[in-house]
Amino acid sequence: DTGVSQDPRHKITKRGQNVTFRCDPISEHNRLYWYRQTLGQGPEFLTYFQNEAQLEKSRLLSDRFSAERPKGSFSTLEIQRTEQGDSAMYLCASSDTRQGNYGYTFGSGTRLTVV
Amino acid sequence: KNEVEQSPQNLTAQEGEFITINCSYSVGISALHWLQQHPGGGIVSLFMLSSGKKKHGRLIATINIQEKHSSLHITASHPRDSAVYICAARDTGKLIFGQGTTLQVKP
Repeated sequence: DTGVSQDPRHKITKRGQNVTFRCDPISEHNRLYWYRQTLGQGPEFLTYFQNEAQLEKSRLLSDRFSAERPKGSFSTLEIQRTEQGDSAMYLCASSDTRQGNYGYTFGSGTRLTVV
Repeated sequence: KNEVEQSPQNLTAQEGEFITINCSYSVGISALHWLQQHPGGGIVSLFMLSSGKKKHGRLIATINIQEKHSSLHITASHPRDSAVYICAARDTGKLIFGQGTTLQVKP
């Protein structure tokens, strides 16, 4: 297993466009998390899934944001009508809670720049 | 006030110095995580603590549940330890991150 993969690594988009990011977690991990990080700050929680169920969404996740994990494997995060304030690093992480091990593995992130 | 606070925000040390980074949290937690982030974004998990103390190489992490406080210590610091160190409180699901401590170790 190659760890958590995120695609693309970088995305530049014009304001108002829609963007979609993909995260492939470690295959046996049941939980998948999305975080957003701006420069000089720690990551902020957006949402997380256990298998295909979305268990929690942050108030940061406005109605322009949607996330899915349709088969309990990879996940997508879509941002509609992007705004300059959406510019950030979007991080995905996964963990396997079934064995009582909550160790997290992070992907390298997708850096979004809205111009 | 943030739910997870770290201090200091920035730290410069000379090679060989003993380093301490502090983390206080105000939320109920099931565990406290310490992570390391290098330029370019990659985050690596260092420790997960629910009580006491853990050691890995030159890194030591401690937690005091009653005082809601954790520390990360680096002994005999080296320039390759330069990174951002982040503590994060875990509730039943997500991590709540501190703002990070940027450490620079000079040779």
